[in-house]
Amino acid sequence: EPEVTQTPSHQVTQMGQEVILRCVPISNHLYFYWYRQILGQKVEFLVSFYNNEISEKSEIFDDQFSVERPDGSNFTLKIRSTKLEDSAMYFCASNYHQETQYFGPGTRLLVL
Amino acid sequence: DAKTTQPTSMDCAEGRAANLPCNHSTISGNEYVYWYRQIHSQGPQYIIHGLKNNETNEMASLIITEDRKSSTLILPHATLRDTAVYYCIVRVAVYTGNQFYFGTGTSLTVIP
Repeated sequence: EPEVTQTPSHQVTQMGQEVILRCVPISNHLYFYWYRQILGQKVEFLVSFYNNEISEKSEIFDDQFSVERPDGSNFTLKIRSTKLEDSAMYFCASNYHQETQYFGPGTRLLVL
Repeated sequence: DAKTTQPTSMDCAEGRAANLPCNHSTISGNEYVYWYRQIHSQGPQYIIHGLKNNETNEMASLIITEDRKSSTLILPHATLRDTAVYYCIVRVAVYTGNQFYFGTGTSLTVIP
């Protein structure tokens, strides 16, 4: 069964550094999403992406964040200058159209 | 913001049916009810969804009241591996995708 995959599974970085989180959505899917979950808190929507552009973003997704689909398979989330409060699990999700989203296993980001 | 209300936690004996309630009194006519679960800090896992009719798949059954203001997820024979946080989500659909707004969910513990 097709799955969303994410790399790396864990990332440790220093405050102020740039990080790129990578996702490979399910191959025929058209819509892509990033969510995050701070330890002990809710899963929060960050951004949705369709047709090579952002279709919706939350207020969390500020200028420090960007997303890109650099080729036909990868979908990336970049944090330009990480802050301590960016420490969280980051989940990628995808779907074909407006129905069930399938989530990846997540990347645990720790900012020191 | 999440448009659903769920109990914070529930216990269920192994082998018994787990019935997880959800209130969504402000649901709109074209909004679906989705159920996901999250085991530890893994990515949310899709369980089932429905609009008006009751639905059943290999994982669970979904019972939606006639007025659609509430629903119940039923795990017919709970196992220890069903211990997880269960999220009831009303999908807010927009043209180019559909964000999922996660609440705090119900923490289900299956007891041996």
